[in-house]
Amino acid sequence: DTAVSQTPKYLVTQMGNDKSIKCEQNLGHDTMYWYKQDSKKFLKIMFSYNNKELIINETVPNRFSPKSPDKAHLNLHINSLELGDSAVYFCASSQDTRRANYGYTFGSGTRLTVV
Amino acid sequence: KNEVEQSPQNLTAQEGEFITINCSYSVGISALHWLQQHPGGGIVSLFMLSSGKKKHGRLIATINIQEKHSSLHITASHPRDSAVYICAVRSMWNTGNQFYFGTGTSLTVIP
Repeated sequence: DTAVSQTPKYLVTQMGNDKSIKCEQNLGHDTMYWYKQDSKKFLKIMFSYNNKELIINETVPNRFSPKSPDKAHLNLHINSLELGDSAVYFCASSQDTRRANYGYTFGSGTRLTVV
Repeated sequence: KNEVEQSPQNLTAQEGEFITINCSYSVGISALHWLQQHPGGGIVSLFMLSSGKKKHGRLIATINIQEKHSSLHITASHPRDSAVYICAVRSMWNTGNQFYFGTGTSLTVIP
């Protein structure tokens, strides 16, 4: 019973392509996130959705577009992929944002390599 | 400057040693999170703290709110503890449940 599942786990693609990464959580959490982990292992938030509404949209290229069809899913679509997009992308979820002490549950990550 | 600083960045220990990883932060927080990332990438939540101390098996996490500092201790370390340990804090002013992440401490435990 995977709590937060991401697909695919690995993605190798050519520059200029468009690709999507899917994320689903079965925890009943209200909030979902996308994080990018760079080569130095630093996790940086990209987007956060609460009950299908965008609440955090950090400065990322508009080639990245999140889509949340329902509160259990948050997909990440990337247009016109560039070499610098190569990274590990983590999906995460947490309980209601108004509850102060809830932590995260992470997916296992998607390693994107742009060639 | 990052809101969350961890030390050391890299740590090598002999099996059985007591290990301490430190986390200092510069913002007022409502919660602090310790995470573990194994080679191969998956991230696992270890502890969530807002005060005091928590223990789980050989892992102990402490936090000093006044000093804006937290430590993660591993007693009787084992090679399977080898991983990157990440500290993350949630600002008390943040309404989006967003955490600021440290850059991680890479731990290698040698048999």
